[in-house]
Amino acid sequence: GDSVTQMEGPVTLSEEAFLTINCTYTATGYPSLFWYVQYPGEGLQLLLKATKADDKGSNKGFEATYRKETTSFHLEKGSVQVSDSAVYFCALSVLPSYDKVIFGPGTSLSVIP
Amino acid sequence: DAGVIQSPRHEVTEMGQEVTLRCKPISGHDYLFWYRQTMMRGLELLIYFNNNVPIDDSGMPEDRFSAKMPNASFSTLKIQPSEPRDSAVYFCASSSSPEAFFGQGTRLTVV
Repeated sequence: GDSVTQMEGPVTLSEEAFLTINCTYTATGYPSLFWYVQYPGEGLQLLLKATKADDKGSNKGFEATYRKETTSFHLEKGSVQVSDSAVYFCALSVLPSYDKVIFGPGTSLSVIP
Repeated sequence: DAGVIQSPRHEVTEMGQEVTLRCKPISGHDYLFWYRQTMMRGLELLIYFNNNVPIDDSGMPEDRFSAKMPNASFSTLKIQPSEPRDSAVYFCASSSSPEAFFGQGTRLTVV
């Protein structure tokens, strides 16, 4: 079945460090890929998305490229801030039916000053 | 639009009591999802609806859990009777596309 795997957390980085959170997926169809972010005490919100191979999603300095050949969608940011501390979820949704978004387990990120 | 609205934000109840969580999806969205989030199990899909019809409830943990969507603008998740292991944050989400929009969640504590 369709699934998403993320790197284990928690991840702790110093401010201005480079961030990579790995995400790989298994899908029987043609998935759209997402990164959601959950700040403390809040619900999940969409951070970025990519709907086809080689697309790059970007938002708030975060980027992820849809790599069909490696079935990956790694999240990167060149310089993290304390305000980026949150839990990050990789997710997919498979065409032709958007009836379910399948989430990875989440990766907790803590950025220290 | 105000986004997905859940109520209450926090609920503390005694074991054995009935608990009802409420959700108002974004207008025009035809999918509605209920999720549960715990430290141990992460984010779990409990049930989802399409056009007010339950499509998949395989994630509902037990018969004590039930969900309804009487119309396009309202859904409830009920736990009867509640147990301490039901303590979690319950999220409602809605969508009309691959992107899901989440509410802020209801933090349920069963003592």
